[in-house]
Amino acid sequence: DAGVTQSPTHLIKTRGQQVTLRCSPISGHKSVSWYQQVLGQGPQFIFQYYEKEERGRGNFPDRFSARQFPNYSSELNVNALLLGDSALYLCASSLGQGGYEQYFGPGTRLTVT
Amino acid sequence: GIQVEQSPPDLILQEGANSTLRCNFSDSVNNLQWFHQNPWGQLINLFYIPSGTKQNGRLSATTVATERYSLLYISSSQTTDSGVYFCAVDANAGGTSYGKLTFGQGTILTVHP
Repeated sequence: DAGVTQSPTHLIKTRGQQVTLRCSPISGHKSVSWYQQVLGQGPQFIFQYYEKEERGRGNFPDRFSARQFPNYSSELNVNALLLGDSALYLCASSLGQGGYEQYFGPGTRLTVT
Repeated sequence: GIQVEQSPPDLILQEGANSTLRCNFSDSVNNLQWFHQNPWGQLINLFYIPSGTKQNGRLSATTVATERYSLLYISSSQTTDSGVYFCAVDANAGGTSYGKLTFGQGTILTVHP
């Protein structure tokens, strides 16, 4: 069975631009969460979507938004990119909303110049 | 929010040595996971262990939920064990779990041949 997939693998954007990152969960998983990991730190929670509804949001500005599609895949959008948005963006999927084991994709490495 | 502290921050071993990594958390949890992050950023699931003891080959983990800590044991370490080990918890907020993983800062393990 395929694991969590993310695209693209790497991305270079200019300050002020917008970016869309994509994630496909493990088949049968209905929850997708997004995390940001900056160099030298642990991942930080951005969003959780379960059954196509936002169920949790971390301490990130409104420039960050996400959605989940009927097939449970998800997109993370970041507007008006700042240099500080440079990070590894990780997607995780799980069977349900809370208390379930989460499985992570390989990540998208975003560089903002 | 819940606090997660990992120790030690850095650990250097000779191949064949044993080690213990510790994770302390500040509140009750519905989920606790241990991950190994490889040099490419992929988070690899080691254990899903909100309580009790589990073993998988040379690795084992114990979570004592009532005392709010978890331990990861690595025996007969190999150079391929090198990398960053993260503990992550999903807090139990009044009996409800929201699926938000809070990560510790990680333990950087280096195993020399």
